[in-house]
Amino acid sequence: DVKVTQSSRYLVKRTGEKVFLECVQDMDHENMFWYRQDPGLGLRLIYFSYDVKMKEKGDIPEGYSVSREKKERFSLILESASTNQTSMYLCASSLVSYGYTFGSGTRLTVV
Amino acid sequence: GQQVMQIPQYQHVQEGEDFTTYCNSSTTLSNIQWYKQRPGGHPVFLIQLVKSGEVKKQKRLTFQFGEAKKNSSLHITATQTTDVGTYFCAATLVKAAGNKLTFGGGTRVLVKP
Repeated sequence: DVKVTQSSRYLVKRTGEKVFLECVQDMDHENMFWYRQDPGLGLRLIYFSYDVKMKEKGDIPEGYSVSREKKERFSLILESASTNQTSMYLCASSLVSYGYTFGSGTRLTVV
Repeated sequence: GQQVMQIPQYQHVQEGEDFTTYCNSSTTLSNIQWYKQRPGGHPVFLIQLVKSGEVKKQKRLTFQFGEAKKNSSLHITATQTTDVGTYFCAATLVKAAGNKLTFGGGTRVLVKP
């Protein structure tokens, strides 16, 4: 069964900490994505990558960065966590022009 | 601003009844996808529509893509409690980079037994 695995289901971090969210897919997909999901705001794209070492800003990239050193792994980095980054973070991967496979999500709380 | 609008935001349905959720855009869409997210879960891909006027069915679910490729609908017949969840449409806008999707706000479906 194909999978997108996110390293943590729940995470609690302090304001100002550097936070790493890891995502690994085993489907050899070119495209990978990071979204955040908040009540009433739906899914908003933070960053995406369509190849190794390539990255593109999504709709809300401020306060985030990403890394894609290997095809299967796409990391989201919160350089200095803030309380307004408390959210559900969803990683997804896809082939070109096809449906996304989402991970189970990481619920991040910044205190 | 949001380029893919989804209505209604909430849908309360009596078990056994039909309902429809709609997805609209002011811009032409390259394709449209539909996802279902169960409570506490993550979005799961249901289907993709690419052609103008395309209609696809999955059991009790019927998906349509408008002739102008600016709107889509999901119709569910004989609703069951297993249909509970949030249904998202997501579109690739024409000239969007890669396979970047813009998601609608979702329709949250509650089923009354």
